[in-house]
This record gives sequence, structure tokens and C-alpha cells, in this order.
Amino acid sequence: QVQLVQSGAEVKKPGASMKVSCKTSGYSFTGYFMHWVRQAPGQGLEWMGWINPNSGGTSYAQKFQGRVTMTRDTSISTAYMELSRLRSDDTAIYYCARGDFDYWGQGTLVTVSS
Amino acid sequence: DVVMTQSPLSLPVTLGQPASISCRSSQSLVHSDGNTYVNWFQQRPGQSPRRLIYEVSNRDSGVPDRFSGSESGTDFTLKISRVEAEDVGVYYCMQGTHWPWTFGQGTKVEI
Repeated sequence: QVQLVQSGAEVKKPGASMKVSCKTSGYSFTGYFMHWVRQAPGQGLEWMGWINPNSGGTSYAQKFQGRVTMTRDTSISTAYMELSRLRSDDTAIYYCARGDFDYWGQGTLVTVSS
Repeated sequence: DVVMTQSPLSLPVTLGQPASISCRSSQSLVHSDGNTYVNWFQQRPGQSPRRLIYEVSNRDSGVPDRFSGSESGTDFTLKISRVEAEDVGVYYCMQGTHWPWTFGQGTKVEI
């Protein structure tokens, strides 16, 4: 069965960077784009960007350009999302979601606090 | 960016009664390939979002048939024919026709 398993919760200081992983199984990793979506506490869903695991090509929402980097390791069917220069308003649950958003990871809570 | 405006933002429902959520897009969501990429998601408390409906009206596998999606121009609707207790949560519409992908604000459904 298709599974997306994300890395565990993190606490970061303002100005630091974070990197969340999304390990996949049960399907062809290179056959589907991977999206990243975040959700601030008590708020709605916000699309951050996607990566094409086959080519490594990426597309980032304008809001995150310059701060976000999405990568992948096809040998272990894992996608990564790195966000730099963290601010307190980056505190959120970060989700990976396959292709057409049909499968989602369990989410990774990242707390940014001094 | 395409704005997806949901209404209502809060929806008190009665078990066994129908419920309806509206999502209006700021522009046409018909893609150049002829498809309309509108999804509906359910997010139960403490869980990841779950896709219910894709391309306006196609129900995902395992989704009860009491859920249905429809469209009229730039207005999209998610209907629950008879609300059950497990339907409590927040529902989001999302468009994937135009970059960037955008979500509605969410509609909280509560008994």
C-alpha cells in the first residue's frame, strides 16, 4: 500500500534552517510529483511547491522562493523540503502529498521559537 | 493567484440531514486540456487531509457515496446527502488548474 512517512517534530530557533523528509513506499517514487503543503496552528492549508522526483525539477510558491529547497533521493524513495531563515510564523505542520494529493504524509510539526 | 472562497466557514449540521459547502473561484478553472482540477479534502481533528473528490465530481476509492461534488461555472459544491457523526471536521476545496495551487479557507462542519 502507498505510504508517505515523514520525519519527526522539530524545534528551531529563529534564523535557523529545517529539513523535513518524506519517505515513500508502495508505488513508483519517480512516477508522481511530490507537493509540500503547510498548516499553521488553527489555520488552513498553504501550498509551498512541488518537486518532480524523476528529473529533480521544482516549482516553488512565490512566497517561499529564496528560502525553500526541495530535493529528493531516488535511491531511497525519499523527498526532502528545506526551509531556511526561519521565523516564528513558520511554525506549522508540514505535509508532503503525492501527485494529485491522493496520499499525504502524517505531517511534521516544526516549532520556531527563541 | 486564483482565490478560492468557501462558504460558509462554519456549518452546524444535524445527523441524518443534508449539508452543502460552496467554493467560488476567482476565475475559470477549466484547464487547457479540458479538465477542471478541483479537489475536495476532509481533515478530521488531528489528522492529515484526505482527498474525497477529484476533478470536481469524482469520488475517491473508499469515500462513502453520500459525498458528491458538482460545479456551475466558477461555483463548486460539495454535498453530503445525510451527515454522519464521522463527517465532523474541516473541509477544503483546492484548485490545481492554475499555478500556484490554492486552497479555500476551510469550512468547519460540526454537529
